Amino acid sequence: NAGVTQTPKFQVLKTGQSMTLQCAQDMNHNSMYWYRQDPGMGLRLIYYSASEGTTDKGEVPNGYNVSRLNKREFSLRLESAAPSQTSVYFCASRTNTEAFFGQGTRLTVV
Amino acid sequence: AQSVTQPDIHITVSEGASLELRCNYSYGATPYLFWYVQSPGQGLQLLLKYFSGDTLVQGIKGFEAEFKRSQSSFNLRKPSVHWSDAAEYFCAVGAAGTYKYIFGTGTRLKVLA
Repeated sequence: NAGVTQTPKFQVLKTGQSMTLQCAQDMNHNSMYWYRQDPGMGLRLIYYSASEGTTDKGEVPNGYNVSRLNKREFSLRLESAAPSQTSVYFCASRTNTEAFFGQGTRLTVV
Repeated sequence: AQSVTQPDIHITVSEGASLELRCNYSYGATPYLFWYVQSPGQGLQLLLKYFSGDTLVQGIKGFEAEFKRSQSSFNLRKPSVHWSDAAEYFCAVGAAGTYKYIFGTGTRLKVLA
């Protein structure tokens, strides 16, 4: 079972460049999430989607946009990358009782 | 405010020793509580969860956790640590009817041979 798949696994961007992080889940979950993980700060919620067609801001949405393309896919876009967005990004999908995480995307903005 | 506190940033134990990782939460509603483990370069894997009922819950890999409402705690324990348990551990809280988890900042476990 694939579970939650994120692409790419690694990415280096120059300041001001844009990119989209892709996430897909094959578990038919309604809820999907994007988190960023920074040392000493745990996981912070960027955006989430409770169901297909809906998205909502989390704790740290500034500088990001999301698209819930269909039930399977939830992408995260950085329109103009900044060094402060250097982080590890995790996508997750959820049942009522458990969240399933992807392997993460390590993004470096130089 | 809703929050999760993991007071220990790093913990080092010897292989075979017992382990307790602390988690305290502040949450207005009846909480759902979780422990996740993250191995280096990997995503998060659920160890165990508590929703209701028996306050001592068993998880995978020999871990257990005890919910103590009076102390707002959900500490993770293992009687005998293995070298493969070296990882980062995250406590999280959520609630029925909400879509957000709140994560603690994590405790990094080092295991000495």
